[in-house]
Amino acid sequence: DAGVIQSPRHEVTEMGQEVTLRCKPISGHDYLFWYRQTMMRGLELLIYFNNNVPIDDSGMPEDRFSAKMPNASFSTLKIQPSEPRDSAVYFCASSLGTDQETQYFGPGTRLLVL
Amino acid sequence: AQKVTQAQTEISVVEKEDVTLDCVYETRDTTYYLFWYKQPPSGELVFLIRRNSFDEQNEISGRYSWNFQKSTSSFNFTITASQVVDSAVYFCALLGGSYIPTFGRGTSLIVHP
Repeated sequence: DAGVIQSPRHEVTEMGQEVTLRCKPISGHDYLFWYRQTMMRGLELLIYFNNNVPIDDSGMPEDRFSAKMPNASFSTLKIQPSEPRDSAVYFCASSLGTDQETQYFGPGTRLLVL
Repeated sequence: AQKVTQAQTEISVVEKEDVTLDCVYETRDTTYYLFWYKQPPSGELVFLIRRNSFDEQNEISGRYSWNFQKSTSSFNFTITASQVVDSAVYFCALLGGSYIPTFGRGTSLIVHP
């Protein structure tokens, strides 16, 4: 079975541009999580969804960040406008409702904002 | 509030040595889960193990073993006969009733040939 899929794997953009990160969770998983990893702050949970509904977005840094999950197999994390301090690795993870505590992570998207 | 402390920022060993990675946690929840993840140089996060707070049995999986002690709020990870491929950053994580996990800052393990 395929794991969590993220695209793109690498993204380089200029300050002010819109960035969209994509995630396909493991089939059948009903929880989806977005994380950001930086050297300064470590791994931070940004937002998570259950059955496509956002449950907790308290980790989203500011209004420039938004996340959607239009269906069970796809989610996006958008940054508009992007800033250099948004440079980080963004991970998507998913888990199964009956075993919701174990999260399986995607390979991450390395974002560099110049 | 939850907290996970991985006091060892970096550990350097020579191949075939045993190494223990420490993890100390704080939580007020009576039911919680502890995890270890491995992040190799390629960057992905690989799930290694999950333990719940009611199961203090130690676990062994090949060269990996985990020692969970509620009395000291610790969940330590030992690699026996380390190999170069074990070089990675290892994260300990805690998940309580809020279902929002708390990760430690990670321990970077470098295994030299």
